[in-house]
Amino acid sequence: DAKTTQPPSMDCAEGRAANLPCNHSTISGNEYVYWYRQIHSQGPQYIIHGLKNNETNEMASLIITEDRKSSTLILPHATLRDTAVYYCIVRDAFFGNEKLTFGTGTRLTIIP
Amino acid sequence: GAVVSQHPSRVICKSGTSVKIECRSLDFQATTMFWYRQFPKQSLMLMATSNEGSKATYEQGVEKDKFLINHASLTLSTLTVTSAHPEDSSFYICSARLLQGGKAFFGQGTRLTVV
Repeated sequence: DAKTTQPPSMDCAEGRAANLPCNHSTISGNEYVYWYRQIHSQGPQYIIHGLKNNETNEMASLIITEDRKSSTLILPHATLRDTAVYYCIVRDAFFGNEKLTFGTGTRLTIIP
Repeated sequence: GAVVSQHPSRVICKSGTSVKIECRSLDFQATTMFWYRQFPKQSLMLMATSNEGSKATYEQGVEKDKFLINHASLTLSTLTVTSAHPEDSSFYICSARLLQGGKAFFGQGTRLTVV
């Protein structure tokens, strides 16, 4: 089952904010929203995660809607190095060993 | 963040031979590691969950006798592709989760080419 839905691709101009949406309408109360990205031919890189509050770190911000059925990852000032496939994943918080299941993600291309 | 190291990063082997891929958590202990496979232009597909000191749990459709997983310590898991065939050529990626906290960290991946 696909727990998340993301657009297959997006473009963003260099220096602008990149906003990547994710729908997770069947998310349960125990599940966190995680974001990872994969630059070509590398392993995925952790970006950020959250439960219900908005989160910010040095890489990005995560905005989760009040009903938790969708979220947006924001890269505030996109650079060419942000070109990657971005994966939105939901995972149960109470089972620490539960696997991460990757969907098809969003291929983000930063345009010079 | 925590570091997961995979070795080798790239390997070419002959059809019928076996290849071992190592996954190490360098600065933390991981009771559970995960092995993924990724074909070109596709997403990561989980192959198996590797538990320290016990047998790995394989996903449906993954042959456990072909993809041998050993997780002998809290910092090392190995994946051995036995009797490799060209269709096993893929990008193999491991992941390890911190004992406490939910973040998983990934290795840099191993590009396997079977000729």
